[in-house]
Amino acid sequence: AQSVAQPEDQVNVAEGNPLTVKCTYSVSGNPYLFWYVQYPNRGLQFLLKYITGDNLVKGSYGFEAEFNKSQTSFHLKKPSALVSDSALYFCAVRDLGYSTLTFGKGTMLLVSP
Amino acid sequence: DVKVTQSSRYLVKRTGEKVFLECVQDMDHENMFWYRQDPGLGLRLIYFSYDVKMKEKGDIPEGYSVSREKKERFSLILESASTNQTSMYLCASISGTSGSTFTDTQYFGPGTRLTVL
Repeated sequence: AQSVAQPEDQVNVAEGNPLTVKCTYSVSGNPYLFWYVQYPNRGLQFLLKYITGDNLVKGSYGFEAEFNKSQTSFHLKKPSALVSDSALYFCAVRDLGYSTLTFGKGTMLLVSP
Repeated sequence: DVKVTQSSRYLVKRTGEKVFLECVQDMDHENMFWYRQDPGLGLRLIYFSYDVKMKEKGDIPEGYSVSREKKERFSLILESASTNQTSMYLCASISGTSGSTFTDTQYFGPGTRLTVL
């Protein structure tokens, strides 16, 4: 089975500070990992994905994520948060044997001015 | 850019009504998906389709059916709407040529917020 966990319902950070949104996964094979962002009353927008290769993946809007196989984690990071980054963030995983993505429950990121 | 559109942003229906949610994608994608999103539960897969007239149940298919008569269009049907089907419904699509489904990006529509009274 494939599963993903986002241990924090909400993350609060001040503008200009670095941010981390955590994600851990469980798969039987090699994982394909994705991050999506959702702004209020909108659909999900793709941020970045890890398929293979470099463990540090860079994506849209200055976000990056680090794949850590030993810790089965794929945390989302940004060096300097913006108020406009405030949104709901979803991590998702797909194992090679599965045809569908499994999503985490989401983490609300609130960036204060 | 990939575009996935949904027929309504907001919909209000009464208990027992038959409800149709429409989704259209313009990138000739084989695979299409319907999810519902509820606070604290994340996204849950209702149904997906990997080709015209093909469908597979997701994690929570009860109370729903789907139709895919044309490649670009995937419809979600609530045969008899109930209040517990009040939710945000999200459609998505992904290209699905052999081997690439696993690594390709899934694109989402803007969502339909359905309220069943």
